[in-house]
Amino acid sequence: KQEVTQIPAALSVPEGENLVLNCSFTDSAIYNLQWFRQDPGKGLTSLLLIQSSQREQTSGRLNASLDKSSGRSTLYIAASQPGDSATYLCAVEQGAQKLVFGQGTRLTINP
Amino acid sequence: GAVVSQHPSWVICKSGTSVKIECRSLDFQATTMFWYRQFPKQSLMLMATSNEGSKATYEQGVEKDKFLINHASLTLSTLTVTSAHPEDSSFYICSSGSGGAADTQYFGPGTRLTVL
Repeated sequence: KQEVTQIPAALSVPEGENLVLNCSFTDSAIYNLQWFRQDPGKGLTSLLLIQSSQREQTSGRLNASLDKSSGRSTLYIAASQPGDSATYLCAVEQGAQKLVFGQGTRLTINP
Repeated sequence: GAVVSQHPSWVICKSGTSVKIECRSLDFQATTMFWYRQFPKQSLMLMATSNEGSKATYEQGVEKDKFLINHASLTLSTLTVTSAHPEDSSFYICSSGSGGAADTQYFGPGTRLTVL
């Protein structure tokens, strides 16, 4: 059974810092990995999707990497801003579009 | 990107009553819709997958007679929580996909259910 773990569970940093969120998964047989953002009491916003054949994806200040063989992904956020405060979830797809989510990292960017 | 809506955004009901939650894909046809449940400070857990015109497929441990899913059209899926109890209180989120492993899913804003 696929298990997805995110470390740390919570992170608080001052504005302007670069930071890394970690995601690991136990079964490397995945189609893709996605990073989502969830604001309190809200749904999910897709940030980046990395196909299993890709190593990384970039969007603005966000960069996500994928090492499928070791079961790891990182989300790098550059020059963090208070508006980046949210819970970040990673999820892997193992087929039929079924996603297995990690428990998330609650990120707080302090002005 | 595609837009998925949910209605209602929050609902409070008495124990023993049934609650229906709607999930609509507003600007695309969703052949597949997914229903997730999220307890406070926990991650999303897939409850079931519904395909338009066919019966839903439920994940292990999810009672199909309690969580009724209907996907009658390519733009609407409904989740009915029957005989709701306080332990059913949760955040329910739907997502839509057009099919295919490479497609991203579009998530609704969620419905907060509180059962008294």
